[in-house]
Amino acid sequence: EDKVVQSPLSLVVHEGDTVTLNCSYEVTNFRSLLWYKQEKKAPTFLFMLTSSGIEKKSGRLSSILDKKELFSILNITATQTGDSAIYLCLNAGGTSYGKLTFGQGTILTVHP
Amino acid sequence: NAGVTQTPKFRVLKTGQSMTLLCAQDMNHEYMYWYRQDPGMGLRLIHYSVGEGTTAKGEVPDGYNVSRLKKQNFLLGLESAAPSQTSVYFCASRKGGSGNTIYFGEGSWLTVV
Repeated sequence: EDKVVQSPLSLVVHEGDTVTLNCSYEVTNFRSLLWYKQEKKAPTFLFMLTSSGIEKKSGRLSSILDKKELFSILNITATQTGDSAIYLCLNAGGTSYGKLTFGQGTILTVHP
Repeated sequence: NAGVTQTPKFRVLKTGQSMTLLCAQDMNHEYMYWYRQDPGMGLRLIHYSVGEGTTAKGEVPDGYNVSRLKKQNFLLGLESAAPSQTSVYFCASRKGGSGNTIYFGEGSWLTVV
């Protein structure tokens, strides 16, 4: 059975802190791993990772994939209150063609 | 260019009633998905479709049916609503093949009383 596990499930930090969110997976026929940010409504796209060891970066956010150890991390530096959200990890692949499997999400709360 | 549109956005149902959620996308995407999101549970896949006329079960399909008669539409039906189906429902779509991002609708808030 395909699995995507995120940790921690929730995290409370203060502005300026750096956070690291984890996503581990057990998926047959891996194709790509995606990170999304969800605030009040629909998730919004952050990164898609397909190759090991290549960091993707966007401002204060960065992410990297390790296909040997089957995990990805999402880093946020110098956190701001606007970073408060649910961060979702998604694996595209798996035993069923076209299937997308989400992790449980990490709830990040950034206090001023 | 609307992207992924879900209707209705909010609905309150009585136990035992039926209803249909409509998802429409105007991006000519092959794959479409229905998820439900409950507190602490992340997004769980109900059903999905990899093309017109085809559907498949996800993680939590019981109590739901779907149809994909037209490529642009993916309907989610609740035949006899139960309070356990109170949730936020998200539709998503993407192009076929690997390496394509997923686009989400704005969500449909359903309450079953």
